[in-house]
Amino acid sequence: DQQVKQNSPSLSVQEGRISILNCDYTNSMFDYFLWYKKYPAEGPTFLISISSIKDKNEDGRFTVFLNKSAKHLSLHIVPSQPGDSAVYFCAASAYQGGSEKLVFGKGTKLTVNP
Amino acid sequence: KAGVTQTPRYLIKTRGQQVTLSCSPISGHRSVSWYQQTPGQGLQFLFEYFSETQRNKGNFPGRFSGRQFSNSRSEMNVSTLELGDSALYLCASSLGQGAETQYFGPGTRLLVL
Repeated sequence: DQQVKQNSPSLSVQEGRISILNCDYTNSMFDYFLWYKKYPAEGPTFLISISSIKDKNEDGRFTVFLNKSAKHLSLHIVPSQPGDSAVYFCAASAYQGGSEKLVFGKGTKLTVNP
Repeated sequence: KAGVTQTPRYLIKTRGQQVTLSCSPISGHRSVSWYQQTPGQGLQFLFEYFSETQRNKGNFPGRFSGRQFSNSRSEMNVSTLELGDSALYLCASSLGQGAETQYFGPGTRLLVL
């Protein structure tokens, strides 16, 4: 049972345009959400996070939106740059029992074309 | 601050052997989590250690084990290796005090022949 889903395995956008990556989750206990960027053969790099008490968090070109009622979050990259090309993972966590683990989606490969 | 480091970066083993991977967390971080990444399954949680104690465990067989030392460094061991254990093994560290960001190391690429 996949608790975090990224339904688009790939996305292609033009440089300068907006990239929107989507993520859905099923576990209502999740209270913290993160986006990671990953290049091949490297560890995921933290991009941006959002707590369940917020519905938006912005950091430069990256904005994450959280819709708790729909159990949906999205990452907006504006403007997109060729260097943004990577696999993006959505992750969710629930701090339960004094421990925390991240549950990841399967990733969306973003390609930004010059 | 130095980031999370993992050694070795690459490893080739044969079926039936055992392997130990090492992870040094960011200074001051007391929680270390391990994840396995494979093309088919994505990133899957193995276990988490905090103050030398395993706090959480994923759905992996007992062949996968770990430990954490007093300096927060952690090791992961896989015994009786199987071909399906070939994967990128990632370690992440955090303060371990609640909903917070985990920071990942570069990973160890394990190939089982």
